[in-house]
Amino acid sequence: SAVISQKPSRDICQRGTSLTIQCQVDSQVTMMFWYRQQPGQSLTLIATANQGSEATYESGFVIDKFPISRPNLTFSTLTVSNMSPEDSSIYLCSVGIGSYNEQFFGPGTRLTVL
Amino acid sequence: SQQGEEDPQALSIQEGENATMNCSYKTSINNLQWYRQNSGRGLVHLILIRSNEREKHSGRLRVTLDTSKKSSSLLITASRAADTASYFCATDARGGGYNKLIFGAGTRLAVHP
Repeated sequence: SAVISQKPSRDICQRGTSLTIQCQVDSQVTMMFWYRQQPGQSLTLIATANQGSEATYESGFVIDKFPISRPNLTFSTLTVSNMSPEDSSIYLCSVGIGSYNEQFFGPGTRLTVL
Repeated sequence: SQQGEEDPQALSIQEGENATMNCSYKTSINNLQWYRQNSGRGLVHLILIRSNEREKHSGRLRVTLDTSKKSSSLLITASRAADTASYFCATDARGGGYNKLIFGAGTRLAVHP
């Protein structure tokens, strides 16, 4: 498994501003992922954070809105840009371990946009 | 679109009873993973079952996989109030690319003392 931390754990932001969420892993991992969980819903993959190259985004998510950095094998950031109340969600990072892609999740960042 | 569908959406039982949650999916998979989430917090990884496995156990948890029916079940035996949480299945689909997981809608389990 892996120990994953996220900062901040929660935030309340104003419409039109941006928030950067950090994800730190206690070991080097190849695969890191960012998910969104809207209120009362399941998880939806935003993008795969690739070390040394641009992130790979899922349908419905774009780099201008959710820029991602992956400067090394233990760290990634997700920025939620130009926020609106519809962006209020829990944002979670995860890492894939081993050949079977066993995924472990961070504690999440609960974002509220007013 | 989400691959996994879970039923029931909500389950309410008494302590000591068993809880069974089901997950169905649509395409061939490499593996299926079950997670627990306590009131909007992070996900806790419970079990990974590979496509060539039929059953796995971990403590009070038992997971089955039937690839011919494209379904899986999670059984929690002798439930406790602390098992109250949402449970999600997630499939790692073959040919899905980037080893991404697709999550089901989840089952909300309430265990009453």
